[in-house]
Amino acid sequence: DTGVSQNPRHKITKRGQNVTFRCDPISEHNRLYWYRQTLGQGPEFLTYFQNEAQLEKSRLLSDRFSAERPKGSFSTLEIQRTEQGDSAMYLCASSGGARGPSYEQYFGPGTRLTVT
Amino acid sequence: GQQLNQSPQSMFIQEGEDVSMNCTSSSIFNTWLWYKQDPGEGPVLLIALYKAGELTSNGRLTAQFGITRKDSFLNISASIPSDVGIYFCAGPFGGSTLGRLYFGRGTQLTVWP
Repeated sequence: DTGVSQNPRHKITKRGQNVTFRCDPISEHNRLYWYRQTLGQGPEFLTYFQNEAQLEKSRLLSDRFSAERPKGSFSTLEIQRTEQGDSAMYLCASSGGARGPSYEQYFGPGTRLTVT
Repeated sequence: GQQLNQSPQSMFIQEGEDVSMNCTSSSIFNTWLWYKQDPGEGPVLLIALYKAGELTSNGRLTAQFGITRKDSFLNISASIPSDVGIYFCAGPFGGSTLGRLYFGRGTQLTVWP
C-alpha cells in the first residue's frame, strides 16, 4: 500500500460554490480523520470515523461541512456555500489498531482549497 | 481546546549542527507524537512515545517523553539540508480513546549548507 491519498491536491473555487474532497486511507486502517490547517498553525481536528461510523465532530465543523465514509473505506468531505475563511489545507489521516486505540496517524498530502 | 506550546518557533542553523526543540502542555498527555511537514505536503510521522521517561530514536532523531507527562523533546543530530521543514508535536488529550490529536504550532527549521 502506498499510503493515504487525497484528491484533488488543489482546488480553487468561487465564494458560494460547493466543493467535495476525497480521501483514500491506508487499506487496512479502520480509523479515518479529517483535519484543517491554516498558515502558521498546526492541523486542527475536524471529524473522525471508525469504519463507517462518524464518532466525533469538532465545533469547527459547521453545518456547511459534511463528511461521509459510506462503506468504511474512502471518505468525502463536502463544504457547501464556501466562504473565504474556508481557505486552508484539508488533511486526511488514517490509523489502524483492531485491538484498541492507535494514535499513530498517517497523513495524506492534503487538498489545498482557495476560495476567491 | 488543548494547547501544546512549541519552542523555539523557528531555528536557523548550519549544516552539521545539532538541534533541540521542545513541546509543553498544561495538561497530561499519555502519548506524544512528532511529525515533520514539508511545504505543500502532509505531516509525516517521525517518532511515537508512549511511556513517561521513554527515549526513542529514529536515525539521527531522538525524542523523549518527559517524566511529568507534560512535555516532550526532539533532538536532531548532525543536521543536513533535507531536515528543513516544520516539526510538530502532537498528542491525544488525557485518556481519550478516540485518537483525536492536538497539535502544536510547530518549529520551523532552516539549515544553511
